Amino acid sequence: RKEVEQDPGPFNVPEGATVAFNCTYSNSASQSFFWYRQDCRKEPKLLMSVYSSGNEDGRFTAQLNRASQYISLLIRDSKLSDSATYLCVVSGGGGNKLTFGTGTQLKVEL
Amino acid sequence: NAGVTQTPKFRILKIGQSMTLQCTQDMNHNYMYWYRQDPGMGLKLIYYSVGAGITDKGEVPNGYNVSRSTTEDFPLRLELAAPSQTSVYFCASIGTGAFFGQGTRLTVV
Repeated sequence: RKEVEQDPGPFNVPEGATVAFNCTYSNSASQSFFWYRQDCRKEPKLLMSVYSSGNEDGRFTAQLNRASQYISLLIRDSKLSDSATYLCVVSGGGGNKLTFGTGTQLKVEL
Repeated sequence: NAGVTQTPKFRILKIGQSMTLQCTQDMNHNYMYWYRQDPGMGLKLIYYSVGAGITDKGEVPNGYNVSRSTTEDFPLRLELAAPSQTSVYFCASIGTGAFFGQGTRLTVV
């Protein structure tokens, strides 16, 4: 089983739609959780951290369920500029290592 | 306010050649990482460092070496380049979240 698993997509959605991505992780000792965004041929950039209580940043909402080892990202009112690959990232273990999922590709269309 | 700087941005190597990918950060972070990303795939950890003088292997270390003589610098060395090392290489440093360099696109022919 992969340490961090994501549905690769692509998710093709119309502008204005709400879309949700899910991610599961295998290491129950994982301590920190993030969503990163990666545009084609660019470096990943931090989108938001994920907290146990859930957190929101504008149109983006992240949730963490430690019992089920599950992380989610909800994007409301999708924009064309949201088209990218969204990476689920889990941190923990020696060296504070970040383990990346393979990413979920989102395409927002007119 | 440079953040993480990687050089070079692009490189073509012949099989068997060697090269060093440079990575420098100016945020005084202790944790630094090297990842590779193959087309359509996720990031795989090559090596990481938790501070000057300390390095450790990640998921795919074979064919690579690193050093960390200063907090700022974390170079990645390829000794005998192979076609399987054709990839995009990202360096990252960790503070409140991970900060990535712009990547090095390496082709081995």
